[in-house]
Amino acid sequence: GQSLEQPSEVTAVEGAIVQINCTYQTSGFYGLSWYQQHDGGAPTFLSYNALDGLEETGRFSSFLSRSDSYGYLLLQELQMKDSASYFCAVREGGYQKVTFGIGTKLQVIP
Amino acid sequence: GAVVSQHPSWVICKSGTSVKIECRSLDFQATTMFWYRQFPKQSLMLMATSNEGSKATYEQGVEKDKFLINHASLTLSTLTVTSAHPEDSSFYICSATTGTGGHEQYFGPGTRLTVT
Repeated sequence: GQSLEQPSEVTAVEGAIVQINCTYQTSGFYGLSWYQQHDGGAPTFLSYNALDGLEETGRFSSFLSRSDSYGYLLLQELQMKDSASYFCAVREGGYQKVTFGIGTKLQVIP
Repeated sequence: GAVVSQHPSWVICKSGTSVKIECRSLDFQATTMFWYRQFPKQSLMLMATSNEGSKATYEQGVEKDKFLINHASLTLSTLTVTSAHPEDSSFYICSATTGTGGHEQYFGPGTRLTVT
């Protein structure tokens, strides 16, 4: 089975940078995804890492270290609209099924 | 982009009745669909994986006779909550993949079920 750990809550100031960490344990790691979910809404895909290193998409970047079973999501130039829950999710093996972490609720304050 | 719809967006039903939730991929063929349940302020818990034309694969602890899943076509999967109880009240979300080996799941907007 899999288990993921991420902080439950993070608060950051508008315009700042925030990093949300995720550690995982899985028997057959295939890749790490990040999803954003606003209250009452559906998750939306942010990024995916299958190999070590940093993937950058605009203000969002995601990092993976397979040897450390660790990844993070980096949000730059924070905006109020970035207030949401962020989930890391592990894809196991060749299947497209993923297991989600508990989610990190990010609050951006003025 | 890939769009997934769900219907209804919310439903209130009485204990003991059944409720059907539809999940449709609008602009792509979804060989695989997933059904999740999410309680307030909690994570998404995978209930089952649904492949077109075959029986769904349920996660451990999910009663297949209570949560009936049908994936009759490449664009439609349905979840029926049978003999609903108040503890089944939750946010049910489906997602779909294109089946091309991609890693992204496209989520529907969710269905909020309240059982009274």
